[in-house]
Amino acid sequence: QVQLVESGGGVVQPGGSLRLSCEASGFNFSNYGMHWVRQAPVQGLEWVALMSYDGSSTYYSDSVKGRFTISRDNYKNTVYLQMNSLRIEDTAVYSCAKDGGYLGGFFDYWGPGTMVTVSS
Amino acid sequence: EIVMTQSRLSLSVTPGESASISCRSSQSLLHNNGNNYLSWYLQKPGRSPQLLIYLGSTRASGVPDRLSGRGSGTDFTLNINRVEAEDVGIYYCMQALQTAWTFGQGTKVEIK
Repeated sequence: QVQLVESGGGVVQPGGSLRLSCEASGFNFSNYGMHWVRQAPVQGLEWVALMSYDGSSTYYSDSVKGRFTISRDNYKNTVYLQMNSLRIEDTAVYSCAKDGGYLGGFFDYWGPGTMVTVSS
Repeated sequence: EIVMTQSRLSLSVTPGESASISCRSSQSLLHNNGNNYLSWYLQKPGRSPQLLIYLGSTRASGVPDRLSGRGSGTDFTLNINRVEAEDVGIYYCMQALQTAWTFGQGTKVEIK
């Protein structure tokens, strides 16, 4: 069965950095785009970033563009999110999500998430 | 950016009755390939979201046929027939026509 497990969250000061990881299993990882989505405390869902199946294309939300970098290692079945210049408003649970594939337009599996707290 | 609006933030439903959740987009989600790039998710308490419906009306694997999605263009509805206790949670719509994927604010469904 498909499993996505995030790690790397924690408490960081404003301006600091963190690197999140999401290890995938149960599907052919190198065939699917992977997303990061976040949810601030008691808030809704916000899409953050996407990397295509082969790493050739990346997309970011305006709120993180220039500060966050998504990457992947198809040999390790892992997608990463490097977060720099963190702000208080980046505090959220960060989840990775598997793209639905050629049909497009949806996330068919989500990980449980890892909490990132930006605080002084 | 396409703005997604779910007009009702909460809904209280009697078990066995039906419920409808609406979602409106600021731009049409109908692609020229004929698909509406609208999906629905349920986030149960303490859990990650799970996919319910994609491309406007296609049920995801394992989703009971009590749930159905309809609509096209800018107006979409998720219908839940014969509501059960397991249906409680927050329902989100999401657009994927533009690569800046955006979600509605969510509609919380509770059981009376």
